Amino acid sequence: GESVGLHLPTLSVQEGDNSIINCAYSNSASDYFIWYKQESGKGPQFIIDIRSNMDKRQGQRVTVLLNKTVKHLSLQIAATQPGDSAVYFCAEPNDYKLSFGAGTTVTVRA
Amino acid sequence: DVKVTQSSRYLVKRTGEKVFLECVQDMDHENMFWYRQDPGLGLRLIYFSYDVKMKEKGDIPEGYSVSREKKERFSLILESASTNQTSMYLCASKGSMNTEAFFGQGTRLTVV
Repeated sequence: GESVGLHLPTLSVQEGDNSIINCAYSNSASDYFIWYKQESGKGPQFIIDIRSNMDKRQGQRVTVLLNKTVKHLSLQIAATQPGDSAVYFCAEPNDYKLSFGAGTTVTVRA
Repeated sequence: DVKVTQSSRYLVKRTGEKVFLECVQDMDHENMFWYRQDPGLGLRLIYFSYDVKMKEKGDIPEGYSVSREKKERFSLILESASTNQTSMYLCASKGSMNTEAFFGQGTRLTVV
């Protein structure tokens, strides 16, 4: 079964605005999460990860927030650009099995 | 630069054919995975392997089998292709537990 799930299947964002993509997980013992980005015609690529000893991690224009109390994580993209249009997945590597949710498709409006 | 390479980007096969999808990684990873991706359904795990000659069923193994004779290569086999196996197939590999997975570019398979 699915151990992580995204809240919304699609997200339409105005260029320059911030994007927030949400994900819930079920296993309270999970200690590592990854966000992937999949552009059209390509395989998913790693964006950012976070371990459970952190609440927040920042990358270049992206921030991941982890709320262990409600088992929720989010990916925030600052100043969304056309190149951010993609499908985004959260993933929880659990033992040696890697399960994904359905993904959120982000469309950036010019 | 790390690489997961899938043998074909596009493939067209006939119903009933035996189909082999090949995946090779150069990172000496123990774990390899095969997914299929369909619109609205995300990435669904077909099979995975945590070591040479070892395999585990994922969430949708029916109609598929796999082979892992060498550490770097993980093959997905469609014994008798059917039209409902038309899909995008993605291979991934990763090292030890709780590390990131690396994906191939995908194989778009059409069964006619």
